Amino acid sequence: GAGVSQSPSNKVTEKGKDVELRCDPISGHTALYWYRQSLGQGLEFLIYFQGNSAPDKSGLPSDRFSAERTGGSVSTLTIQRTQQEDSAVYLCASSLFGGQGSDTQYFGPGTRLTVL
Amino acid sequence: AQSVTQPDIHITVSEGASLELRCNYSYGATPYLFWYVQSPGQGLQLLLKYFSGDTLVQGIKGFEAEFKRSQSSFNLRKPSVHWSDAAEYFCAVEAGTNAGKSTFGDGTTLTVKP
Repeated sequence: GAGVSQSPSNKVTEKGKDVELRCDPISGHTALYWYRQSLGQGLEFLIYFQGNSAPDKSGLPSDRFSAERTGGSVSTLTIQRTQQEDSAVYLCASSLFGGQGSDTQYFGPGTRLTVL
Repeated sequence: AQSVTQPDIHITVSEGASLELRCNYSYGATPYLFWYVQSPGQGLQLLLKYFSGDTLVQGIKGFEAEFKRSQSSFNLRKPSVHWSDAAEYFCAVEAGTNAGKSTFGDGTTLTVKP
């Protein structure tokens, strides 16, 4: 596909369960970003990958959150022991080079996570 | 630390009227500045960005924004709004030392009256 894709588009889970969210970046993009958008708020930066490494994990809210990227492509965001405050839309973006603001980020449609 | 303020939560304009969405940032040096649009059920789309040079930036869909260092502002403008412009608009800032880590404002929701 031409754009960033994310799956699933919607996820409903019970409190305490683990969830995995997937992001497929644009082919050839070296940088990948995860953001969280809570209801009525702006985007909150979570983590940024350059290739398979994450230079900046400072935005991860707690140790229940982790992310990995393999083969310089697909990334998975994992939330363990989900809590109701984790309910949000999780957005992924990719950019060609990363590491500089002049590089445009292209966003996926997001995964809406609801924790009951 | 960098921060962004969008003072207007919600703005309503009539179709054909002009539009200005406000954005103020906080950062010690010249940051990278962005405006994104998010239509219902869709991801964010970049409208325009500023990182150097001319302080008046042209974007897609007829939007422009002006970087004013003295006011720490990067307001988004459009001379004539179309009904399809109804969406949520986000201003974002990225400091050179935090490359790749954008800080977003809370957004402004634009309603367009017929």
